[in-house]
Amino acid sequence: AQRVTQPEKLLSVFKGAPVELKCNYSYSGSPELFWYVQYSRQRLQLLLRHISRESIKGFTADLNKGETSFHLKKPFAQEEDSAMYYCASWEAQKLVFGQGTRLTINP
Amino acid sequence: DAGVIQSPRHEVTEMGQEVTLRCKPISGHNSLFWYRQTMMRGLELLIYFNNNVPIDDSGMPEDRFSAKMPNASFSTLKIQPSEPRDSAVYFCASSLSRGSGDTQYFGPGTRLTVL
Repeated sequence: AQRVTQPEKLLSVFKGAPVELKCNYSYSGSPELFWYVQYSRQRLQLLLRHISRESIKGFTADLNKGETSFHLKKPFAQEEDSAMYYCASWEAQKLVFGQGTRLTINP
Repeated sequence: DAGVIQSPRHEVTEMGQEVTLRCKPISGHNSLFWYRQTMMRGLELLIYFNNNVPIDDSGMPEDRFSAKMPNASFSTLKIQPSEPRDSAVYFCASSLSRGSGDTQYFGPGTRLTVL
């Protein structure tokens, strides 16, 4: 079965510093990967998907098949980026989520 | 549109009691998902429906859990009898279809505490 691993449960960086949230997947085919985000007191929502190759709120994520990774990156963190981030993959017609990383941006 | 609606938002009950969680998906969405979120296990899919039919319930932890979707605008997740280890946040989500390209929209969740 597909597995999604987010090795860091907690990540803390200073405002203006680069951010990288790690995500690794286990799948031999062509995965479909997503990042979901949950801000404080808000609903879990889609941030971006790899197939779109888009940048949302300054975040990007590149699929690296060689390393089976889909890390989420932002060059300059902002305080409003503090949230819970989930990496997810699409498998057997359902989303499989990682355990999540709580990102805290310190002023 | 108010989005996915869940009730109650908070539920505190005693071990052995029956608990019913409710969900109203976004109008026009054909797929509905129930998830459980815990600190230890993160976000887990329990069951999902397509056109009101249960498609995959492999994530339902045990027979104490059951889910129904009697019509396109309502679903329930029932735990009977409840146990302290069921304490978690339960999310309902809906999407236009069950395809990977369709974004899942989540409800606010129900925080369940079983004493």
